[in-house]
Amino acid sequence: GEDVEQSLFLSVREGDSSVINCTYTDSSSTYLYWYKQEPGAGLQLLTYIFSNMDMKQDQRLTVLLNKKDKHLSLRIADTQTGDSAIYFCAEGTSGTYKYIFGTGTRLKVLA
Amino acid sequence: DSGVTQTPKHLITATGQRVTLRCSPRSGDLSVYWYQQSLDQGLQFLIQYYNGEERAKGNILERFSAQQFPDLHSELNLSSLELGDSALYFCASSEGGRTDTQYFGPGTRLTVL
Repeated sequence: GEDVEQSLFLSVREGDSSVINCTYTDSSSTYLYWYKQEPGAGLQLLTYIFSNMDMKQDQRLTVLLNKKDKHLSLRIADTQTGDSAIYFCAEGTSGTYKYIFGTGTRLKVLA
Repeated sequence: DSGVTQTPKHLITATGQRVTLRCSPRSGDLSVYWYQQSLDQGLQFLIQYYNGEERAKGNILERFSAQQFPDLHSELNLSSLELGDSALYFCASSEGGRTDTQYFGPGTRLTVL
């Protein structure tokens, strides 16, 4: 079945780059998303990429997609303490009306 | 602020009871999605409505039901509550009926005692 996997934890120092990785199994995925969840809050859409793209950059965020390996990554440049949160990747397939979410990666930024 | 609102923010109830969670989508969005987030199950898709009609079902229990009203707000009804139903329940909305970008509400935290 469909599955999306992420590592559970990542710890980086303030000012360094963070790279959060995600692998998925559904080769028919059309869209891949990154959401951020701060403590006690809902999911905030950060960025998304269509499956026919390799890379997307949006300010400090860079999304890389390796469709052959079904691997998605989110790079956060100049990571700040305010970036500490849980990051979820999700995959969606056109016509299926639902997302499959990863388990979430808890990013801790050390001052 | 995503534009999706959910009420109540917190809900505490007892086993066997029934509760209703409410969601108002972003202005102009026709689709509403419900998700359950628990520690052991992660984020699970429950059900989706598009313009008042059920479009997709995920891991939704028979004790749970939902509907979307003509004004496009949605309600998730949870009945015969069990301790294991304690979780965060999120509503999301999107413009159309396909898997386009979903915007999430702040969630309702349900605690079943």
